Amino acid sequence: DAGVIQSPRHEVTEMGQEVTLRCKPISGHNSLFWYRQTMMRGLELLIYFNNNVPIDDSGMPEDRFSAKMPNASFSTLKIQPSEPRDSAVYFCASRWGQGDTEAFFGQGTRLTVV
Amino acid sequence: AQSVSQHNHHVILSEAASLELGCNYSYGGTVNLFWYVQYPGQHLQLLLKYFSGDPLVKGIKGFEAEFIKSKFSFNLRKPSVQWSDTAEYFCAVNSYNAGNMLTFGGGTRLMVKP
Repeated sequence: DAGVIQSPRHEVTEMGQEVTLRCKPISGHNSLFWYRQTMMRGLELLIYFNNNVPIDDSGMPEDRFSAKMPNASFSTLKIQPSEPRDSAVYFCASRWGQGDTEAFFGQGTRLTVV
Repeated sequence: AQSVSQHNHHVILSEAASLELGCNYSYGGTVNLFWYVQYPGQHLQLLLKYFSGDPLVKGIKGFEAEFIKSKFSFNLRKPSVQWSDTAEYFCAVNSYNAGNMLTFGGGTRLMVKP
């Protein structure tokens, strides 16, 4: 398996534009996580899906952020409109099972909003 | 609020020095505990994990961690660090009571001087 695949790897956009980050989890995994990493806040959990259903989205900063998982092999994280403070590295991770297994991370998307 | 705390944000050591990174969590009930490492410019990778049994777990690259339930702690140790251990280290907790969310601590940046 190719692992967790995220796209794009880098994204530079202007403030106010819509940004969509994509994630393809490892085949057979049933849980998916979106994290945001910044120097100030470390690694923050944004949203957690289990069997394609959002279980906890309490980490989503505000209504400008939304995430979907239409099927077991694809998830998106959308920011609309984007702001400079959204600049960060966004990681997607997936795992099999309920919590007693390793979560595998993608390479991340480095987002810069200017 | 439930959380994962890493006490040291930055650690600088010389090669061959011993390492101990602290991690405490506030979740009750059954937990699974992890340490992940992030080398510069890379994604997170699993170092070791604790699910049950022997509270002293051994991971890759000579790392080990000890689960002390009474102290809600899971500290990471390595007897003798190498320059190649320079990285950021994250403690993570999966809490069954919290719906199997995987939550990370703020991370500890380790720099090993040659």
